[in-house]
Amino acid sequence: GAGVSQSPSNKVTEKGKDVELRCDPISGHTALYWYRQSLGQGLEFLIYFQGNSAPDKSGLPSDRFSAERTGGSVSTLTIQRTQQEDSAVYLCASYGGGRGNSPLHFGNGTRLTVT
Amino acid sequence: DAKTTQPPSMDCAEGRAANLPCNHSTISGNEYVYWYRQIHSQGPQYIIHGLKNNETNEMASLIITEDRKSSTLILPHATLRDTAVYYCIVSQRSNYQLIWGAGTKLIIKP
Repeated sequence: GAGVSQSPSNKVTEKGKDVELRCDPISGHTALYWYRQSLGQGLEFLIYFQGNSAPDKSGLPSDRFSAERTGGSVSTLTIQRTQQEDSAVYLCASYGGGRGNSPLHFGNGTRLTVT
Repeated sequence: DAKTTQPPSMDCAEGRAANLPCNHSTISGNEYVYWYRQIHSQGPQYIIHGLKNNETNEMASLIITEDRKSSTLILPHATLRDTAVYYCIVSQRSNYQLIWGAGTKLIIKP
């Protein structure tokens, strides 16, 4: 079946512009995560959605970052007034299926470059 | 959540078993050990996980020490396509709000 889909795969933007990154999780998955990965580094948690609960935003690095998940499915990560340090790969992951220790399924990410 | 320690890089000959170690000395009783790998330009891929017992699936085996302070991921017959960065993380029942480490870069050599 279809996996986690992210778009665009690459995005180049000028410093100060806003960007929107999209994630389509696996159908039926109730949990959705956004991570950021800088070159050669591990994953940095950004935000977590679980069903209809309030999202866990504790990983967002600044108030320029926000995310929403509409209808419990598609999620959009928005970065306002982008800065060069925002350049990274932004990864989305989902899981579900009812088991408490289900693994994460990742998309291939959006590579954001701020010039 | 507990932190993990992995060697930054390892080499393995094609066809041989690759043994990737991970230390998680501060793991708590309800935390699972998960292994993922990331091939260049792709998102991480789930490999295997376990709590106390050793586990095996079609991709790999996971050996967890009795005190649970360390584990080893075993790829029994490594191929060139197994070249990737391998991440060991510990997590409470799918709570993934961790900062993942840099993992182990495994290079399979022909």
